[in-house]
Amino acid sequence: SQKIEQNSEALNIQEGKTATLTCNYTNYSPAYLQWYRQDPGRGPVFLLLIRENEKEKRKERLKVTFDTTLKQSLFHITASQPADSATYLCALPPPGSGGYNKLIFGAGTRLAVHP
Amino acid sequence: DAGVIQSPRHEVTEMGQEVTLRCKPISGHDYLFWYRQTMMRGLELLIYFNNNVPIDDSGMPEDRFSAKMPNASFSTLKIQPSEPRDSAVYFCASSLARTGEDEQFFGPGTRLTVL
Repeated sequence: SQKIEQNSEALNIQEGKTATLTCNYTNYSPAYLQWYRQDPGRGPVFLLLIRENEKEKRKERLKVTFDTTLKQSLFHITASQPADSATYLCALPPPGSGGYNKLIFGAGTRLAVHP
Repeated sequence: DAGVIQSPRHEVTEMGQEVTLRCKPISGHDYLFWYRQTMMRGLELLIYFNNNVPIDDSGMPEDRFSAKMPNASFSTLKIQPSEPRDSAVYFCASSLARTGEDEQFFGPGTRLTVL
């Protein structure tokens, strides 16, 4: 079955540094991968989508890479700010779900940016 | 649009009681998803609908759980009878059906506590 792995331990970094979060998956190659942000007491919020034929996608201070050989996506936040502190989840479609928007989510990595 | 609306935001009940969670998706969205989030298991998909029709309920834990979508603007998730292990945050999400890889919009969640 499909398995998604994200760092379970919190990532603590200093303001201004680049945060890098990892999402590894096994057993198949998804057509795309999404990243979401979740703040305490709130639902996840969509950030970025990257497709299998795209190596990199950028949005403001965010950058996502997708390495289908390594079966890994990296999520970068440059010039991090305390307001970036949240849990970040990766999500991808399970096998056989084409056209139905179904996603399975990783457990998420909590990011804490310290002033 | 007000986004995905869920009610109640918090529910405390006793074991054996019936619990009904409600969701109003974003107007015009074709998909509706019910998730459950716990520390141990993360964000799990329970069931999802396309144009009010249940597509996949393989994530529903057992027969005590049922979900309905009588029209495009309303869905319910019912637990009868409830058990302490059902305590979790339940999220409803909706999305369009444009590309098959559309982002999901989450509601604020219902925090359920079963005593």
